[in-house]
Amino acid sequence: TQLLEQSPQFLSIQEGENLTVYCNSSSVFSSLQWYRQEPGEGPVLLVTVVTGGEVKKLKRLTFQFGDARKDSSLHITAAQPGDTGLYLCAGSPWGGGSYIPTFGRGTSLIVHP
Amino acid sequence: EAGVAQSPRYKIIEKRQSVAFWCNPISGHATLYWYQQILGQGPKLLIQFQNNGVVDDSQLPKDRFSAERLKGVDSTLKIQPAKLEDSAVYLCASSLIPTNEKLFFGSGTQLSVL
Repeated sequence: TQLLEQSPQFLSIQEGENLTVYCNSSSVFSSLQWYRQEPGEGPVLLVTVVTGGEVKKLKRLTFQFGDARKDSSLHITAAQPGDTGLYLCAGSPWGGGSYIPTFGRGTSLIVHP
Repeated sequence: EAGVAQSPRYKIIEKRQSVAFWCNPISGHATLYWYQQILGQGPKLLIQFQNNGVVDDSQLPKDRFSAERLKGVDSTLKIQPAKLEDSAVYLCASSLIPTNEKLFFGSGTQLSVL
């Protein structure tokens, strides 16, 4: 059983379309992170969301942390081919003592020109 | 600032052989992680070090995998003997302190076990 469930698993869209990917858990998190991973490279951190209900924007990317701190979403507006990659959410459950980051399985996004 | 360095970049071995991966984290980063990423999946934590001590190794298959970080800087992950299902990318990451959520990853070592 995955601690962090991501959906959809795959997404193939045309340039200019909007999309949303989700990261859900039954556990409460002190924070959640979103990473993007390109082929042949390690993941690169995009954002950390900390406060329940928080919304963060990074250019065309909008990240939201659920009020209960169990879920998060990533919305991309007007997707571009450069957005292609594997989007991963990660976090460490609340109250665990040490910060031990766990990753979801990821959403593989392909944006066609 | 230099990033996380990993070597080799690729490795092909036959099953039952042994293999070792090396990682040099960002200078000054106390926490070092080894992750296994099977094709199509997210990274799975194998072991987490704080300086040269182990924070978590609950998902490390200890009958065949071992890792060390003797001087609290660079680290080695070893597999002996390798199985077909060990084919994956092995990622090393580091963070400044254990409670810092920002992990910096290396490019990984892609292992193929034939």
